[in-house]
Parts: sequence; structure tokens; C-alpha cells
Amino acid sequence: DTAVSQTPKYLVTQMGNDKSIKCEQNLGHDTMYWYKQDSKKFLKIMFSYNNKELIINETVPNRFSPKSPDKAHLNLHINSLELGDSAVYFCASSPTSGRRYEQYFGPGTRLTVT
Amino acid sequence: ILNVEQSPQSLHVQEGDSTNFTCSFPSSNFYALHWYRWETAKSPEALFVMTLNGDEKKKGRISATLNTKEGYGYLYIKGSQPEDSATYLCASSTGNQFYFGTGTSLTVIP
Repeated sequence: DTAVSQTPKYLVTQMGNDKSIKCEQNLGHDTMYWYKQDSKKFLKIMFSYNNKELIINETVPNRFSPKSPDKAHLNLHINSLELGDSAVYFCASSPTSGRRYEQYFGPGTRLTVT
Repeated sequence: ILNVEQSPQSLHVQEGDSTNFTCSFPSSNFYALHWYRWETAKSPEALFVMTLNGDEKKKGRISATLNTKEGYGYLYIKGSQPEDSATYLCASSTGNQFYFGTGTSLTVIP
């Protein structure tokens, strides 16, 4: 069974559209994350979220918003997509929000905005 | 923004060689150093999480040490094998943020 799954794996869309990427973890973890891998291969954290607290990286545009219907899911909604949003997006989870815990990553979603 | 730097950027070693790479991070407000192994077309896989100065962890042929006073973490691979070929990422966590380095790309030549 896949521990952290993301759908879709590939997403090609046009500028201005609104899209969502789904993430699910079956590890019973309390905290989930979204990362963006930029063109230089850096992994940059976008959000961390548990059932009590949403931590937002202040550099993330407000066109990006996380939605958590339940503890096992953290979906990423992106409004008014721009060319610069093209990247690979990774979801991850960890047992708690404690920073000493390992994160388990999903397989990534490659978003291409044309 | 934290500057987490890894060196070297890439490394080619012969099968059987031992190797090591470095992760440097700002030592102020440090909480934990994470190491990940990232194979092409896969997702990062956690290797170690280290918090204490002088800490040393080992998993098979891979080990890691931590020097929080000077802001360095080291990853060692003993007797490298072709299946060790991957990018090795480190990340420093402080506050509620994680800052990743760009990784060291290791290629083990059979």
C-alpha cells in the first residue's frame, strides 16, 4: 500500500485556470505538508498543516490554498495559474508537527502551465 | 531564509569506495537536521533525523554525524554500491520551517 499518494501524477493546463492536486496519507500521521521543487531542484516548503494549525510560508502567493477535508487528506488548490507555477509539487506527512520527526513524501505531481 | 548548503554538488565513485558529503546550516535557532535519499523519478526517502550535537546515527552502510556548534552535518557511505546512486538531501528545521539543500548527486560506478 502506498503510504502517501498524490493525484494526478501529471497535470497540464493553461494559464488562468484553477486546478487542484490531491494528497492522501494512510499512515495515521497528524501533520501534512506541501513542497514545491523549483527549476533549480530546490525543495521549498509551502504549507504545513495539522488539525489545529496551518503554517504558511509567507512567500507563497495567496492563489495557493490548502484544503483538508480530514486528517488523512491535504489537497492543494491553485487559482489563476501562471507560467511560473510550473514545477513538481510534493506532498509529505509526519507523525506530529514536531520537527524531529521524519517526513514521508508522496511521488510528486508535475504541473505544466502553458 | 536559511542557507543550507551541500557539498559537493555531485560525486562519482567506484564501487567499493567509501565516500562522504557535507551539509552546512546556520547554527542559530537550529532544531534538527534531516537526511533524505532521493532516487530519480521517486520521492525523497527519510534516512536520519538528528538533533543533538555529537549525535551519530547508522543504517547499514550509511552513517551520519552532527556538529550543531559549527553548523555541519556529515553523511558517510561505506563500501559504495551501484544501488547507492541517488541524490542525498539534507534539510535543517527551525521554528516551523524546513530548509532543504540542493543535494549531493552520487553516482557509483560498477
